Amino acid sequence: GESVGLHLPTLSVQEGDNSIINCAYSNSASDYFIWYKQESGKGPQFIIDIRSNMDKRQGQRVTVLLNKTVKHLSLQIAATQPGDSAVYFCAESYLGFQKLVFGTGTRLLVSP
Amino acid sequence: DGGITQSPKYLFRKEGQNVTLSCEQNLNHDAMYWYRQDPGQGLRLIYYSQIVNDFQKGDIAEGYSVSREKKESFPLTVTSAQKNPTAFYLCASADSASPTDTQYFGPGTRLTVL
Repeated sequence: GESVGLHLPTLSVQEGDNSIINCAYSNSASDYFIWYKQESGKGPQFIIDIRSNMDKRQGQRVTVLLNKTVKHLSLQIAATQPGDSAVYFCAESYLGFQKLVFGTGTRLLVSP
Repeated sequence: DGGITQSPKYLFRKEGQNVTLSCEQNLNHDAMYWYRQDPGQGLRLIYYSQIVNDFQKGDIAEGYSVSREKKESFPLTVTSAQKNPTAFYLCASADSASPTDTQYFGPGTRLTVL
């Protein structure tokens, strides 16, 4: 069945560093991927998404990379700030499947 | 002020009682979702609705029920049949049920069974 997992449950960085959060997926049919940020006690907030016909997509301070060969997804955050501290989830889906499958999340801790 | 609201923020229930969680959106979205989140776990889909008067079971629908009588409202009832209801419940909405339509989440309701 479908599954989405993360390599690192907790990532600690210093303010100003670049952060990389990784995600592995198992369903080779997945063609849509999305990253959410969830702050403590709040609902997830959309960050960025990417379709399988792309390898890279950039947003404001964030970049998502997709490697379909090894079924790997990563979220890069440039110049990490204390406000970036949160749990980050990746999720996957595919055309015709009306659900998102969420990973377990990675907690990002940013020290000043 | 557009968005998704959930109420209450915190809810306490005695064992054996049913409880209903509210979810309202004024984004004119057709699709609405209910997820459950447990500590250290990802979101799991309980129920979703593509359109008014229609809904489908998600991955963990047992012990839950929903209704979709209005486009803007998608209440979730946690019944006494749900064996482990203590969790953080999240409602989301999207333009449609296509997975490529971004789901926007509410602030969540934390349910605790006493």
